[in-house]
Amino acid sequence: GQQVMQIPQYQHVQEGEDFTTYCNSSTTLSNIQWYKQRPGGHPVFLIQLVKSGEVKKQKRLTFQFGEAKKNSSLHITATQTTDVGTYFCAAIIYGQNFVFGPGTRLSVLP
Amino acid sequence: ETGVTQTPRHLVMGMTNKKSLKCEQHLGHNAMYWYKQSAKKPLELMFVYNFKEQTENNSVPSRFSPECPNSSHLFLHLHTLQPEDSALYLCASSPDPGVMGTEAFFGQGTRLTVV
Repeated sequence: GQQVMQIPQYQHVQEGEDFTTYCNSSTTLSNIQWYKQRPGGHPVFLIQLVKSGEVKKQKRLTFQFGEAKKNSSLHITATQTTDVGTYFCAAIIYGQNFVFGPGTRLSVLP
Repeated sequence: ETGVTQTPRHLVMGMTNKKSLKCEQHLGHNAMYWYKQSAKKPLELMFVYNFKEQTENNSVPSRFSPECPNSSHLFLHLHTLQPEDSALYLCASSPDPGVMGTEAFFGQGTRLTVV
């Protein structure tokens, strides 16, 4: 079946450092979504990207969709302790439902 | 709160027990989902219901039995589970089926422990 890969699996950063997680698919995607799950919580929708090469920003978070619509990235500038959690990408493949990546678990050291 | 409510929040059951997980949404969404989240695995899609009809069953063992009596309620009936079925079970809903690119709203999950 379709697999969605995310790297890295874990990332430990010092507060104030930047963080990036990458999502890769072998198949061209219809669109891609990003979710955040806090420790002990449930996934919460962050954003959806639809167009090739699309870039969207939410405060310190920057989301990018690759030109070929097979990969995406989430970049956090100057991390804060509130950014701790697991970040999942969810790929929407034409005609299929969400396929979640394994997630990147972010730890932020104060 | 996302508008998707799951009960119970925690459940401990023996392997011979029968229990049910409940999910409720009053967001007017047409699609509902069951996911399994284990410690070392990504979110695993179990079942999808669109307009109360089951449209996807990802090779889930028959000891898990879903039920969708109406578009607002989704159940997961459990019987003769195994310890490896211990996990966080998440319910989600979306305005339209995921293929149409609408966001999923997750419930807070039921933490299931099978002893």
